[in-house]
Amino acid sequence: SQTIHQWPATLVQPVGSPLSLECTVEGTSNPNLYWYRQAAGRGLQLLFYSVGIGQISSEVPQNLSASRPQDRQFILSSKKLLLSDSGFYLCAWMGGTSGGPGANVLTFGAGSRLTVL
Amino acid sequence: AQSVSQHNHHVILSEAASLELGCNYSYGGTVNLFWYVQYPGQHLQLLLKYFSGDPLVKGIKGFEAEFIKSKFSFNLRKPSVQWSDTAEYFCAVRNAGNMLTFGGGTRLMVKP
Repeated sequence: SQTIHQWPATLVQPVGSPLSLECTVEGTSNPNLYWYRQAAGRGLQLLFYSVGIGQISSEVPQNLSASRPQDRQFILSSKKLLLSDSGFYLCAWMGGTSGGPGANVLTFGAGSRLTVL
Repeated sequence: AQSVSQHNHHVILSEAASLELGCNYSYGGTVNLFWYVQYPGQHLQLLLKYFSGDPLVKGIKGFEAEFIKSKFSFNLRKPSVQWSDTAEYFCAVRNAGNMLTFGGGTRLMVKP
């Protein structure tokens, strides 16, 4: 079966410090990977998605970046955090359209809560 | 750009009351539709989905949703809610690409 792991679960960082949130998926290959930010009352905002290694699309210009160094690894980063980066970050994966595991459905990780002070 | 609207931000019901949460989307083409639920302290999980066929779809825990194409709607229903249904509910739409657009969410509180 497929599983998705996110870490750290919670993080408190000072303004101006770097950030690295990591997400890995097990039990599938070549998944589509996504980073969302969840804000109270505003639903889920898509930040980045990736269809393959090294392929990153950004949906919202911001202080964050994403990388996919391996097929099942997706990293969210920042060089210098801002107060406005505080939030709940969700990684998700989707299988392909061929009907295999996770096809056409987003499966989410447990999330990482970031507080920037 | 595609948008998804959930009209009710907060809903408070007593146990055994009926539930209907509204969801409307803007995309006019072929869509896949989803409802996700986030129980307190838990991660987002799929409640039900519609891809094609019967527009009335049934999900887990007694939930169902009806796709009405002419109204661009995919409302979530449950005949009799329980305290354990207290959660935040998100509607989502996927068009021809591989991205889901989510609504703002509806927080449901069920009073015992």
